[in-house]
Amino acid sequence: GALVYQYPRRTICKSGTSMRMECQAVGFQATSVAWYRQSPQKTFELIALSTVNSAIKYEQNFTQEKFPISHPNLSFSSMTVLNAYLEDRGLYLCGARDWDSNQAPLFGEGTRLSVL
Amino acid sequence: GQQVQQSPASLVLQEGENAELQCNFSTSLNSMQWFYQRPGGSLVSLFYNPSGTKHSGRLTSTTVIKERRSSLHISSSQTTDSGTYLCALEMGNNRIFFGDGTQLVVKP
Repeated sequence: GALVYQYPRRTICKSGTSMRMECQAVGFQATSVAWYRQSPQKTFELIALSTVNSAIKYEQNFTQEKFPISHPNLSFSSMTVLNAYLEDRGLYLCGARDWDSNQAPLFGEGTRLSVL
Repeated sequence: GQQVQQSPASLVLQEGENAELQCNFSTSLNSMQWFYQRPGGSLVSLFYNPSGTKHSGRLTSTTVIKERRSSLHISSSQTTDSGTYLCALEMGNNRIFFGDGTQLVVKP
């Protein structure tokens, strides 16, 4: 079946350092990948949407300089949190879909980032 | 988010009672999706419902596009239904926005 894997599941980084997280689509082609963040006590916020062969679109309050995203092929995407600080902690979720199908987007289990 | 208003923010029920969760949206949509968020944070997709009514066991999802609302009905609630329920609105430009969630507590 179609699945989305995210890794690491949990990670801790020191304040001011960077953390890379990965998203792998299995069993389908991830023509678009979206990254979300759920900060403590909040809902999921869309960070950016990446569609193959198109520019990555970042939402207001999120920038490429802070959250660079790579989407090199139809099965993989990564996002880095640069210079992480306390406000960057939370659960980062990857959602992927195949635009050639009418299936709902699939979500990974998330990467939980703690910042010391 | 501003595009999606989810209510109630929290709900406490006795086991056996029914629950009605609502999402209202302020813009046109491609689809609405309902999720249960596990305590560890991962999402369980309950319904992907662009429009109309869908059933799954004790759960029913109804989306009425022209009224800009979607609901999740849980019948005969059980203690294991406790947790966070999220709706997510997919807009025409493929961006998805989540509601703030409903914290459901079902007491035995």
